[in-house]
Amino acid sequence: DAKTTQPPSMDCAEGRAANLPCNHSTISGNEYVYWYRQIHSQGPQYIIHGLKNNETNEMASLIITEDRKSSTLILPHATLRDTAVYYCIAGYGKLTFGQGTILTVHP
Amino acid sequence: GAVVSQHPSWVICKSGTSVKIECRSLDFQATTMFWYRQFPKQSLMLMATSNEGSKATYEQGVEKDKFLINHASLTLSTLTVTSAHPEDSSFYICSAWDRGNNEQFFGPGTRLTVL
Repeated sequence: DAKTTQPPSMDCAEGRAANLPCNHSTISGNEYVYWYRQIHSQGPQYIIHGLKNNETNEMASLIITEDRKSSTLILPHATLRDTAVYYCIAGYGKLTFGQGTILTVHP
Repeated sequence: GAVVSQHPSWVICKSGTSVKIECRSLDFQATTMFWYRQFPKQSLMLMATSNEGSKATYEQGVEKDKFLINHASLTLSTLTVTSAHPEDSSFYICSAWDRGNNEQFFGPGTRLTVL
């Protein structure tokens, strides 16, 4: 898996958009960009994934740069329940987790 | 997203005993599943890749004789921690890979405490 780099922590106000960046400059052609989040003592929850194109689902949007070396996860209207550790992973099949970003959504 | 279940959700055992953890893919057939463990305040660490009908592939530093993996069907993989010791106490998480959609879904985890 390509190594990913994420900021260790971020804050966001409730109701505002949360934009979480991720660098994956060594990503290879067949590797996807995956985003998961984990709330304490639970398994990771799938959020979204993409290969080249931007993706959107009911939870979030994923913006991947044209050179695929970085991406941004966007939670359009953050709520307190979005407080979690967010993991960005570049891989195919076997996924290697980094340290992630602790997102804290405050009132 | 697809549902992956794990059983039990938590287990406490005595040192020296063996513990089996089940991982089931409920919505799709998974030829490949993965096992991770997570220590407090750390990220998930991949332990092994479980392939249906063949031997598991273990990551460097993971003892295959201690962590026995069986993937006998397309919806079930089991991890057996043999002769468990207190240092094996951890949060064990499995995932199932949906190759067709390139999606991977995780189970809720199993908390193992070895006394």
